[in-house]
Amino acid sequence: DAGITQSPRYKITETGRQVTLMCHQTWSHSYMFWYRQDLGHGLRLIYYSAAADITDKGEVPDGYVVSRSKTENFPLTLESATRSQTSVYFCASSEWTGGFFYNEQFFGPGTRLTVL
Amino acid sequence: SQQGEEDPQALSIQEGENATMNCSYKTSINNLQWYRQNSGRGLVHLILIRSNEREKHSGRLRVTLDTSKKSSSLLITASRAADTASYFCATAPWGNNRLAFGKGNQVVVIP
Repeated sequence: DAGITQSPRYKITETGRQVTLMCHQTWSHSYMFWYRQDLGHGLRLIYYSAAADITDKGEVPDGYVVSRSKTENFPLTLESATRSQTSVYFCASSEWTGGFFYNEQFFGPGTRLTVL
Repeated sequence: SQQGEEDPQALSIQEGENATMNCSYKTSINNLQWYRQNSGRGLVHLILIRSNEREKHSGRLRVTLDTSKKSSSLLITASRAADTASYFCATAPWGNNRLAFGKGNQVVVIP
C-alpha cells in the first residue's frame, strides 16, 4: 500500500519486555520521525532520522532505541517496557526538497501500546 | 524547546459558523503547520505556512502568521459537522525538521 504504515496497530505487553514498533513508508522520504501522544502532553518527539543511518534524539528518547538501515523503514524499540511508556505512538515522514524550508510531515495511523 | 500553544483549548460552534484558533510560539521558526486529528485517528496535515509568508488559504481554511508577535491563527469558514476534531499547531525551528506541537484545540461543530 502506498503511504505510511505502522504495525502492530495495537499491542499489549508486560513490564520489562522488549517491544518493537514498525514503521514503513513508500515515498522514499528522507526524514522519518517517532512521536508519542499522551493526554495532557500532546505529541512529543522521541527520535528522528534525516536519512538512512542518521538518527538523533528528540524530546523524550530515554528507554527507546531506533535504527534506520533502509530509507523506507524506521523501527522503534522499547528495550525494557515500563508502564510510563503506555501511549499512542505515531510515525511520520517528510520529504527533503532542498532549500531553506522544510516540508509537511505525513503521519501513520498510530500504534496503541499498553504496558501492564 | 519551542512549542506551539493553542488558544482557546475547546470550541463549540453551530454548523455554518466560522471557527478561529490561535497559536503562539516562543522562538524563531522555519515554518508553522496545522494538523487535524479525529478521535482515535492519526494526524492529517492541513496547511503549512513558511516564516516568510503571512497568509495562506486552502479550501475553507485560512492561516495567518505574524512573526513579530510569534503567533498564528487558523480560520475554518462555514464549518461542518465533519470538522469536529482536535486541531494542533506545530512549529519547525531553523536548523532541523523537528516539530514541536501544541496541546491541541478541541472543536465541536453542532449540526
